[in-house]
Amino acid sequence: QKEVEQDPGPLSVPEGAIVSLNCTYSNSAFQYFMWYRQYSRKGPELLMYTYSSGNKEDGRFTAQVDKSSKYISLFIRDSQPSDSATYLCAMRGGDNFNKFYFGSGTKLNVKP
Amino acid sequence: GAGVSQSPRYKVAKRGQDVALRCDPISGHVSLFWYQQALGQGPEFLTYFQNEAQLDKSGLPSDRFFAERPEGSVSTLKIQRTQQEDSAVYLCASSYHLTDTQYFGPGTRLTVL
Repeated sequence: QKEVEQDPGPLSVPEGAIVSLNCTYSNSAFQYFMWYRQYSRKGPELLMYTYSSGNKEDGRFTAQVDKSSKYISLFIRDSQPSDSATYLCAMRGGDNFNKFYFGSGTKLNVKP
Repeated sequence: GAGVSQSPRYKVAKRGQDVALRCDPISGHVSLFWYQQALGQGPEFLTYFQNEAQLDKSGLPSDRFFAERPEGSVSTLKIQRTQQEDSAVYLCASSYHLTDTQYFGPGTRLTVL
């Protein structure tokens, strides 16, 4: 079983829709949770960074962490075609703090 | 300012060849990470440097993989006797400190024939 599970999609939505992306994890020691966006043939870029449980909002993006359920989410409001990319969740914590654990990514397509 | 750069962007190697992949981190960044990203997967941690010290190499898949950062800036990931299963995108990331935001380079796409 992988440390981090993420539905690979693809997820296709119309422009303006609310998008919900999710990851589950198995290691209760994870403390830091991140969402990255990766365009084709580019490196990942950080979208959201949260510590422990709760919500964090940044513009059209909201990140939620539920440590009791070992479940994290990223919501995108008013989705745009430019949001079409692969979204990766990542987390770190516990004994090996150097190591980031990534999900496999969800491919999102926002149709104009 | 300049971001993280990697070279070459694409590399094709015949099975058994040695390859060297270069990473130029953002100037002043102390921490440097290498990841391997297989097609359709998320990045997998390979190794971590703090300045010139390689503090964690737990993710290196075999002793054919070797990384160095001799002057605490540029880093090289070397793969000896490449195998087909080494085909992947190799990503480098740097951050000012371990707990700060990681900035990723564009990656080197390695294809082993």
